[in-house]
Amino acid sequence: DGGITQSPKYLFRKEGQNVTLSCEQNLNHDAMYWYRQDPGQGLRLIYYSQIVNDFQKGDIAEGYSVSREKKESFPLTVTSAQKNPTAFYLCASKWGASGTDYNEQFFGPGTRLTVL
Amino acid sequence: AQSVAQPEDQVNVAEGNPLTVKCTYSVSGNPYLFWYVQYPNRGLQFLLKYITGDNLVKGSYGFEAEFNKSQTSFHLKKPSALVSDSALYFCAVRDISGANNLFFGTGTRLTVIP
Repeated sequence: DGGITQSPKYLFRKEGQNVTLSCEQNLNHDAMYWYRQDPGQGLRLIYYSQIVNDFQKGDIAEGYSVSREKKESFPLTVTSAQKNPTAFYLCASKWGASGTDYNEQFFGPGTRLTVL
Repeated sequence: AQSVAQPEDQVNVAEGNPLTVKCTYSVSGNPYLFWYVQYPNRGLQFLLKYITGDNLVKGSYGFEAEFNKSQTSFHLKKPSALVSDSALYFCAVRDISGANNLFFGTGTRLTVIP
């Protein structure tokens, strides 16, 4: 899982609560990503950021929010508007932020969120 | 739009036998393809990638993948499977729109039987 840390490893949330998942990397990577993993559906992109103070919506951004105030940090907030938030959340980062690099993404160990 | 398909949800192979995990892709333009492995309750680990050049790509842990343009495939292979290879394997294709994101297949669970 390299130099990417995610916390907490397990998180329990009551319905109606917002929760924030942490993602930190010490790899000096430019781009960072949040994915959601559900059984049998692979990984789906929630948000991504290619530079500090800028981020874009992925395929399933509704009910989620992010910030990128520092290069090494990309926290994800799961809001009460997300109707089915129980899932495994993965953060990733990558060298380069242009459209012409072909570098692989490095993944953190994940956070398992359960709504009670 | 680009996409990848992993036609097999589950692959079983005996220890010591060769293994193949299948992936087909659909892209307009040159494909940039990746394989990742995921062990239980862990993040994804990069195995290998195809950008250009030799169709046979060698990666980590003895894995290799063969790029076949005519069949639009990028199958993952290993000559001799280990029990420790049992995991979930994902194929991915790079987004060509410039955002540099990855589109993942739904994954194939590999079980190596002792």
